[in-house]
Amino acid sequence: GAVVSQHPSWVICKSGTSVKIECRSLDFQATTMFWYRQFPKQSLMLMATSNEGSKATYEQGVEKDKFLINHASLTLSTLTVTSAHPEDSSFYICSARDLRGAPTGELFFGEGSRLTVL
Amino acid sequence: KQEVTQIPAALSVPEGENLVLNCSFTDSAIYNLQWFRQDPGKGLTSLLLIQSSQREQTSGRLNASLDKSSGRSTLYIAASQPGDSATYLCAIPTGGFKTIFGAGTRLFVKA
Repeated sequence: GAVVSQHPSWVICKSGTSVKIECRSLDFQATTMFWYRQFPKQSLMLMATSNEGSKATYEQGVEKDKFLINHASLTLSTLTVTSAHPEDSSFYICSARDLRGAPTGELFFGEGSRLTVL
Repeated sequence: KQEVTQIPAALSVPEGENLVLNCSFTDSAIYNLQWFRQDPGKGLTSLLLIQSSQREQTSGRLNASLDKSSGRSTLYIAASQPGDSATYLCAIPTGGFKTIFGAGTRLFVKA
């Protein structure tokens, strides 16, 4: 089946630095990718929809200047957490829908990235 | 507005039992329904995708059914194993490319 790869799987950084997380669709093109955040023992929270070649669409309450999203190609979306602070520590997961069976495509997720801000 | 509910929220069973996880949704006009499992600290793994026109899908010991008229889907796990312990989520795509998730069922299979 289709695969979505996310990197890095975990990262530790100092407060005030920026961290970039990559999400790649390995065997299909994804014009749209999704970024989620998940707190321990809670469900996924959609942060933003990443659109290839255009601006991302952010969910209400998500700071677009804090969480920069770039979707420069049909197989790569990046999430940059800028000026990270300890409260940004979380599990970030991306997903993409394989629309080769459009419009009822299957949704695939990356492995997730655990961010810890010291 | 589509709402997805999963029951039970948690389930603990002895190894070898057959079990059923439930997912209900309020709007029957769906494209498809997908079941995932999530292990702690991991991403979501797709288990089964049921298209709107289908009634069920099977993969190994897993069988998922879909009844749009009643707004329900069930995931049947046969002969459960400790390795099946995980959180199981059902998900439905919306017309705007987003996905609505249930809160999940946390399954623990005791050896």
